Amino acid sequence: QKEVEQNSGPLSVPEGAIASLNCTYSDRGSQSFFWYRQYSGKSPELIMSIYSNGDKEDGRFTAQLNKASQYVSLLIRDSQPSDSATYLCAVSSGGSYIPTFGRGTSLIVHP
Amino acid sequence: GAVVSQHPSRVICKSGTSVKIECRSLDFQATTMFWYRQFPKKSLMLMATSNEGSKATYEQGVEKDKFLINHASLTLSTLTVTSAHPEDSSFYICSAKDSANTGELFFGEGSRLTVL
Repeated sequence: QKEVEQNSGPLSVPEGAIASLNCTYSDRGSQSFFWYRQYSGKSPELIMSIYSNGDKEDGRFTAQLNKASQYVSLLIRDSQPSDSATYLCAVSSGGSYIPTFGRGTSLIVHP
Repeated sequence: GAVVSQHPSRVICKSGTSVKIECRSLDFQATTMFWYRQFPKKSLMLMATSNEGSKATYEQGVEKDKFLINHASLTLSTLTVTSAHPEDSSFYICSAKDSANTGELFFGEGSRLTVL
């Protein structure tokens, strides 16, 4: 059984702070890692993908992957109230496989 | 990224009726699409994998006779909830991978079904 674990939160951070979202996974053969953002009542939106160990930066978002520790994280710099959403971590064994989703972490950025 | 469109976004129906939800890939061909269901404040649950030109693959516990999936073309998959009951009320979301096969899923807007 492939598992993807996330703290459900809510994680509350002040505006302008760094929000750190964490995810662990059970399948050591996992090769592809994704972060999705889901606003309340909306469908998920892909915001980051990462495939190799290390950091990947895209604007205010940084994904960090550590395959040895089976750990992937998402950092959001200069958090804004509009970043308030549920962030879903998804992991797959490769491009041809269906990603397994975590339960998501609720992020609240307060002014 | 790839664009997936879903229709209708909201539907209200009476118990016992059937509801069809359409999922289209607008700028790419999708041989495989996925149908998810999400209850309020719960995680995404994969219901089935829709394969163009063949039968869908259903996840354990999902009734294939109740949730009919048809993937008649490379850009269209449909989910029909048959004989709907109030417990079928949920947020149904389709998704697809684009041809790059990076594993990234692109989601439709979702369809909120309310069964009275």
